[in-house]
Amino acid sequence: DIVMTQSPDSLAVSLGERATINCRSSQSVLYSPSNKNFLAWYQQKPGQPPSLLIYWASTRESGVPDRFSGSGSGTDFTLTINTLQAEDVAVYYCQQYSETPITFGQGTRLEIK
Amino acid sequence: HVQLVESGGGLVKPGGSLRLSCAASGFTFSDYYMTWIRQAPGKGLEWVSYVSSSGTIIYYGDSVKGRFTISRDNAKNSLYLQMNSLRAEDTAVYYCARDGCSGGSCYWFDRWGQGTLVTVSS
Repeated sequence: DIVMTQSPDSLAVSLGERATINCRSSQSVLYSPSNKNFLAWYQQKPGQPPSLLIYWASTRESGVPDRFSGSGSGTDFTLTINTLQAEDVAVYYCQQYSETPITFGQGTRLEIK
Repeated sequence: HVQLVESGGGLVKPGGSLRLSCAASGFTFSDYYMTWIRQAPGKGLEWVSYVSSSGTIIYYGDSVKGRFTISRDNAKNSLYLQMNSLRAEDTAVYYCARDGCSGGSCYWFDRWGQGTLVTVSS
């Protein structure tokens, strides 16, 4: 199974600042023929189901604010949230869909400093 | 407006069974792969199972293989999860979610239900 490891487990960032969350996979999730990384990011606000933010490592889902961006390739990925807003308080998960079983990172809790 | 509404959760004793349902609306259900994902209280996300749009391709996570059965009824726009031989570690909120691609499989999930809580305890 591909193990997804996020860092840090939690972080506190001031309003208006940038938050950076990392995700590492135990093996590459890059599919070379298409040059696509099989990596998605989700946001889960308290008491709500997860919500898709990004897929193919860097493609923003429709309706997601452009302050959210994804980057990385192979085994190392980053979710960046620019100009942090109060409504961004949530737990963020990465997910690989390169192979079954589909696996998620353990989550990163983002709070306001 | 896409809606996924899970039902069927509740309290069950170890070794017991439950059948979860997910009613879909607002999209052409038969065009999409569907999946079940669970979240134990205070924990992260665990993929459980998915089923192709026609119901012919099915995969399970190792922790539920042989005990859980996913199925769908495209005429009723419904997804199901039959859970047998339940264990305490199956206690979780169970979400149904829609695959991100119509007519194929992407394996990211763009719409989620609110979830239904399954508690396995004596």
